[in-house]
Amino acid sequence: DARVTQTPRDKVTEMGQEVTMRCQPILGHNTVFWYRQTMMQGLELLAYFRNRAPLDDSGMPKDRFSAEMPDATLATLKIQPSEPRDSAVYFCASASSVEQFFGPGTRLTVL
Amino acid sequence: GENVEQHPSTLSVQEGDSAVIKCTYSDSASNYFPWYKQELGKRPQLIIDIRSNVGEKKDQRIAVTLNKTAKHFSLHITETQPEDSAVYFCAATSYDKVIFGPGTSLSVIP
Repeated sequence: DARVTQTPRDKVTEMGQEVTMRCQPILGHNTVFWYRQTMMQGLELLAYFRNRAPLDDSGMPKDRFSAEMPDATLATLKIQPSEPRDSAVYFCASASSVEQFFGPGTRLTVL
Repeated sequence: GENVEQHPSTLSVQEGDSAVIKCTYSDSASNYFPWYKQELGKRPQLIIDIRSNVGEKKDQRIAVTLNKTAKHFSLHITETQPEDSAVYFCAATSYDKVIFGPGTSLSVIP
């Protein structure tokens, strides 16, 4: 049963520190999405890639966030420097067609 | 910009009753409408979807209807069970971009 995996599952860090979240999409899926989920804002699309190329990152704060796909099996989301308002659950999802499969999420707490 | 509205934000029903969640979308280019169920602390999981060339789709106790003219779509759950308790998200997809509704927290009271 193929699944999207994410690491770490939980991250607690202090304000100003760099945070890197990783995602392994389902093998063969060519589209990868990053979402942020908070109680106040719900599920927000931050960025997405197709065939490793960024297609849309308009939902992402550019000054501190960056998303990359070094290869087809790894997507990363970095926050530098992190701020308390970045505390949220970050989900990665992958797709080969329209149906998206979500990873378990990374719960980020910035103190 | 494009958005998806979802109502109600919370819904409580007695076990065995039906639950209906309604969504509206703004982007007329949207052509795929998935519904996700998210249990507490878990990932969102697709439960049913509908494409723009179909008006209704049913899968056991779950059905979805779509009115493209009015830009409305709805989720219907019949004979609700306690395990249906979760947050439900509707979404509208235009090309690859998915816009999620804010979610409905459904509680099924035994």
